[in-house]
Amino acid sequence: SYEVTQPPSVSVSPGQTASVTCSGDKLGDKYVSWYQQKPGQSPVLVIYQDNKRPSGVTERFSGSNSGNTATLTISGTQTLDEADYYCQAWDSTTALFGTGTMVIVL
Amino acid sequence: QVQLQQWGAGLLKASETLSLSCAVYGGSFSGYYWSWIRQLPGQGPEWIGEINHSGSTNYNPSLQSRVTISVDTPKKQFSLKVNLMTAADTAMYYCVREVAVGPGRDHWYFDLWGRGTLVTVSS
Repeated sequence: SYEVTQPPSVSVSPGQTASVTCSGDKLGDKYVSWYQQKPGQSPVLVIYQDNKRPSGVTERFSGSNSGNTATLTISGTQTLDEADYYCQAWDSTTALFGTGTMVIVL
Repeated sequence: QVQLQQWGAGLLKASETLSLSCAVYGGSFSGYYWSWIRQLPGQGPEWIGEINHSGSTNYNPSLQSRVTISVDTPKKQFSLKVNLMTAADTAMYYCVREVAVGPGRDHWYFDLWGRGTLVTVSS
């Protein structure tokens, strides 16, 4: 069955750029969504269809997807961006989520 | 502002059936699919299944044998039942709105999540 994997954690200094990757076989042939989850809260959609931002999501979040890797980029990272981030893709008619990446703002 | 309000028993014994329901307030019901997603402790979300306003369902093959999702469109509600619960099913369960757009399933995404119900199964 199809799987998508993420690094467990990414560290970034305030104001710098954080890149969170999501890997899967020919993932670039699929659309990827990204979700942010803060402790004790429900996930929130931040990117859909690889690079589209929902209304109300800051422009600091952007996405790309090519080859075997999708990337969520957080520009000018702020302490409020510290959270778990999950990628999501479809394997036929089954939604699959990544293992999650904790973004740590040091 | 659209809200999802979910409810159901949060403490079960092994072999019992989980029953959760979710009501949609303040927005369209027929224009979306509606999913249940769970999150085991310390893990990523796991999609359980989905339903639309006419009752068309689709389930995760890993859970399909134990899961039933139903809908009450006039009430703008949908429900989840999972049979034969075990401790391994202990998780936060979310009801979620699913945007079904574009020429293929690939284009779909989850844009609104409920607050979640913590379900604990004791052995």
